[in-house]
Amino acid sequence: GENVEQHPSTLSVQEGDSAVIKCTYSDSASNYFPWYKQELGKRPQLIIDIRSNVGEKKDQRIAVTLNKTAKHFSLHITETQPEDSAVYFCAASLIGSQGNLIFGKGTKLSVKP
Amino acid sequence: SAVISQKPSRDICQRGTSLTIQCQVDSQVTMMFWYRQQPGQSLTLIATANQGSEATYESGFVIDKFPISRPNLTFSTLTVSNLSPEDSSIYLCSVVQGTYEQYFGPGTRLTVT
Repeated sequence: GENVEQHPSTLSVQEGDSAVIKCTYSDSASNYFPWYKQELGKRPQLIIDIRSNVGEKKDQRIAVTLNKTAKHFSLHITETQPEDSAVYFCAASLIGSQGNLIFGKGTKLSVKP
Repeated sequence: SAVISQKPSRDICQRGTSLTIQCQVDSQVTMMFWYRQQPGQSLTLIATANQGSEATYESGFVIDKFPISRPNLTFSTLTVSNLSPEDSSIYLCSVVQGTYEQYFGPGTRLTVT
């Protein structure tokens, strides 16, 4: 079955710096890769996603890149702000299956003012 | 996205009892899931709640421990039976909206004493 590894487990940056979180997946059949942000005590929120037919997707300060050959994808946050502080989870799934999302273990991002 | 609610938001239960969690969506959805998030951990899929048929359980989760009902396309329940302290977790339902985007309910925090 699919396995998703996520690094780093914790990341601390200064406000205004960029943050990068990387994930690798094992099943080459996976073709959908969402990222979730979870603030303390809140539900996971879908912040961006990418399908395997696209190499990069941007939404304001957030971007996701995908390398299908290497089976890894990354979340990039530019101009970080204190409100970006949260736990970020990557996930992988196969569209058309039961929609089963396999999650990475999460990255705790701290943005210091 | 759909408005997803869960009841109860939290509960404290005694060992050996059961807790039933409700998930309500404000629009009809085909795919609904139940996840567990143990303290400080990532999300693990328990099962897919199928409307009109038995749920599909992931490896390590069984129907006797986690019975699920899905009587219609807007509602599902998850029961956690014969509670032990190891069942203390946050339980979240999620739904697929659009083609494949998955959104989560607010979660139910269960503490077993």
